[in-house]
Amino acid sequence: RKEVEQDPGPFNVPEGATVAFNCTYSNSASQSFFWYRQDCRKEPKLLMSVYSSGNEDGRFTAQLNRASQYISLLIRDSKLSDSATYLCVVNIVKYGNKLVFGAGTILRVKS
Amino acid sequence: DAMVIQNPRYQVTQFGKPVTLSCSQTLNHNVMYWYQQKSSQAPKLLFHYYDKDFNNEADTPDNFQSRRPNTSFCFLDIRSPGLGDAAMYLCATSRGPETQYFGPGTRLLVL
Repeated sequence: RKEVEQDPGPFNVPEGATVAFNCTYSNSASQSFFWYRQDCRKEPKLLMSVYSSGNEDGRFTAQLNRASQYISLLIRDSKLSDSATYLCVVNIVKYGNKLVFGAGTILRVKS
Repeated sequence: DAMVIQNPRYQVTQFGKPVTLSCSQTLNHNVMYWYQQKSSQAPKLLFHYYDKDFNNEADTPDNFQSRRPNTSFCFLDIRSPGLGDAAMYLCATSRGPETQYFGPGTRLLVL
């Protein structure tokens, strides 16, 4: 079983749609959680950290459920520029700040 | 602007010919990482330096080596590249266990 699992997609949605991505992780020692965005042939860039209380940044909302070892990302009012691969990432600090990446979920927003 | 810089952005090498990829950072971060990312896959950590301490992942082949001569620079040496080593190589930095910031990557092609 992979340490971080995501639905690879692609998710094809129209502009203005709301889309949700899910992610599960297997290592209960995971301590920090993130969503990174990666555009084609570019480096991953931090989108947002994920906290147990849930957090929101504009059109993006992230949720963490430690009991279920489940992370989600909700994007409201999708824009064409949101098209990218979204990587779910967990940080296992006891292994020396090791980031473990999911394989990513592809989002394509179409006009 | 403070950043993570990787050179070259594209590297073509011949099968078995040693190659060195470089990474530099102006963030003054004490931790530097090297990741390998193949098409449609998650970035995979090869090794990292926590200050001067080198931490190799258990499944990183011996063919991959790294050097960190000072805080700002880190090199990835591939001693005998094989066709399977063609990938994007990403350098990242962090201040301790905090967020990792990625460079733009070097895309390696092995002929």
